[in-house]
Amino acid sequence: QKEVEQDPGPLSVPEGAIVSLNCTYSNSAFQYFMWYRQYSRKGPELLMYTYSSGNKEDGRFTAQVDKSSKYISLFIRDSQPSDSATYLCAMSESGSGNTGKLIFGQGTTLQVKP
Amino acid sequence: EAGVAQSPRYKIIEKRQSVAFWCNPISGHATLYWYQQILGQGPKLLIQFQNNGVVDDSQLPKDRFSAERLKGVDSTLKIQPAKLEDSAVYLCASSARAGITGELFFGEGSRLTVL
Repeated sequence: QKEVEQDPGPLSVPEGAIVSLNCTYSNSAFQYFMWYRQYSRKGPELLMYTYSSGNKEDGRFTAQVDKSSKYISLFIRDSQPSDSATYLCAMSESGSGNTGKLIFGQGTTLQVKP
Repeated sequence: EAGVAQSPRYKIIEKRQSVAFWCNPISGHATLYWYQQILGQGPKLLIQFQNNGVVDDSQLPKDRFSAERLKGVDSTLKIQPAKLEDSAVYLCASSARAGITGELFFGEGSRLTVL
């Protein structure tokens, strides 16, 4: 079993739709949860960052973490064609031994059609 | 502010040949990472440097991969000899400090095809 599981998609939605992207994980030591966006032939860029459980909102993006279920989500409201990309969830442990090592999901490819 | 620079962007080699990738992190960033991203998968950490010391190389195939970060600035990742399964994008990332409180900034990657 992989430490982080993510549905690879692809996911295709019409412009304006609400998009839900999800990851599950098995390592209960994960405390830091991130979402990265990766455009084709580019490096990943940080989109959202959450520590422990709870919600975080930034514009059209909302990140949710449910540690009891080992489940994280990214919601995109009013999706735009420019949101078309691969979305990667990433996680890291906390503690004194934390080196910042990120464990990534395999990514979900999203296409938003005009 | 200049981002993470990587070269070459693309490289095609035959199996058993060698290849080297170069990375220049964001100025002042102490921590440098090399990730391998195989098509359809998420990035996997190969090696992490803090200044010029290795913090984590547990997933680096040391029989064929090597990396160095001289003077704590730029870094080189070498593969010798290459195998077909090494075909991937090699991503370099840097952060201002170790630990998850530092955001990772990625370069555009070096795409390797092994024939």
